[in-house]
Amino acid sequence: DTAVSQTPKYLVTQMGNDKSIKCEQNLGHDTMYWYKQDSKKFLKIMFSYNNKELIINETVPNRFSPKSPDKAHLNLHINSLELGDSAVYFCASSQSGQGDQPQHFGDGTRLSIL
Amino acid sequence: SQQGEEDPQALSIQEGENATMNCSYKTSINNLQWYRQNSGRGLVHLILIRSNEREKHSGRLRVTLDTSKKSSSLLITASRAADTASYFCATTSYNQGGKLIFGQGTELSVKP
Repeated sequence: DTAVSQTPKYLVTQMGNDKSIKCEQNLGHDTMYWYKQDSKKFLKIMFSYNNKELIINETVPNRFSPKSPDKAHLNLHINSLELGDSAVYFCASSQSGQGDQPQHFGDGTRLSIL
Repeated sequence: SQQGEEDPQALSIQEGENATMNCSYKTSINNLQWYRQNSGRGLVHLILIRSNEREKHSGRLRVTLDTSKKSSSLLITASRAADTASYFCATTSYNQGGKLIFGQGTELSVKP
């Protein structure tokens, strides 16, 4: 059973389009995260939700809007896609949002903007 | 902002040799974690070491933490070709909502 699953795995789209990435975890964790990994493999936190409530919102353009319908799901919607949005986006979860537990990552969504 | 810096950026060794990767960070931490990322995959948690711990072992992995020098090292003993991956250190700090701040990573290549 996949613990943290993201869909789609690959996303190729035109500049200006709107797209969504879905994430689900079956670990029963309370906290979920979105990270962005650039072409140099640098990983940066974007958002974190604890039990459906937003707790971390880094300085991310407001074209990015996370949504958590329940604590097992955290989706990421991106409006008006730009070339600089090309990256790998990782969803992760942890038992608590205190930073004292390991995080479990999905396999990533590779977003390419043409 | 980026917290950690890792050294070396790339490391190539023969199977059976030991691999040592270093991580330095800038601010006070709650804990430091090491993750592995195989090509095209997500990150996998390896070890978490708390700020009041100095050393931790897990199988062939040994992690040390020196809070006075704000540095950590990951030692992989008797390396295998399957250890080929990128290795990242990440820190968490108090009152930061659990967010991980990652280093740049070390690319380890283990040749059979």
